[in-house]
Amino acid sequence: EPEVTQTPSHQVTQMGQEVILRCVPISNHLYFYWYRQILGQKVEFLVSFYNNEISEKSEIFDDQFSVERPDGSNFTLKIRSTKLEDSAMYFCASSEALLADGGSQYFGPGTRLLVL
Amino acid sequence: GESVGLHLPTLSVQEGDNSIINCAYSNSASDYFIWYKQESGKGPQFIIDIRSNMDKRQGQRVTVLLNKTVKHLSLQIAATQPGDSAVYFCAERRRSGGYNKLIFGAGTRLAVHP
Repeated sequence: EPEVTQTPSHQVTQMGQEVILRCVPISNHLYFYWYRQILGQKVEFLVSFYNNEISEKSEIFDDQFSVERPDGSNFTLKIRSTKLEDSAMYFCASSEALLADGGSQYFGPGTRLLVL
Repeated sequence: GESVGLHLPTLSVQEGDNSIINCAYSNSASDYFIWYKQESGKGPQFIIDIRSNMDKRQGQRVTVLLNKTVKHLSLQIAATQPGDSAVYFCAERRRSGGYNKLIFGAGTRLAVHP
């Protein structure tokens, strides 16, 4: 069964450093997402991406965050200057269609980011 | 504020029993709901979805019920197995709150005992 994959599974970084989290969505999916889950809290939406541009973003997704689809298979989340409060599990998701059209979002296993 | 929430943070059941996990939502503009299962250290796994124009949908061993009158969603798992032990999240799409993003509830932990 096709699945979303993410690398690395764990990332430890120093505050102020840049990190790039990588995702390979399901191959025939067109819509891509990043969510995060701070330990013990809800899963929160960060951003959605379609046709090489951001289609929606949350208030969490400020100027320190960016997303990119550098080639036909990878989807990345970059945090330019990490803060302690960026420590969380980051999930990539993808869908074949919009939610409105029944496009369920399938999640990857996550990258646990720890900012020291 | 408006939110998706769960009635029970932890549910313990005996193996073989049926489980019912509940979710309350407050936004009447929500039109699509998904139940996810999250095992320790893994990402949310899609279980079943339902649109607001339906009140029931069945999958393999799972049934989702939607009561729009009281804004309540439930997930029923038949013949619960140890492998069903996980945290279960309901998630909603709000027409007014974002075209394609999901709002997640807090989660209910299901513990299945032999």
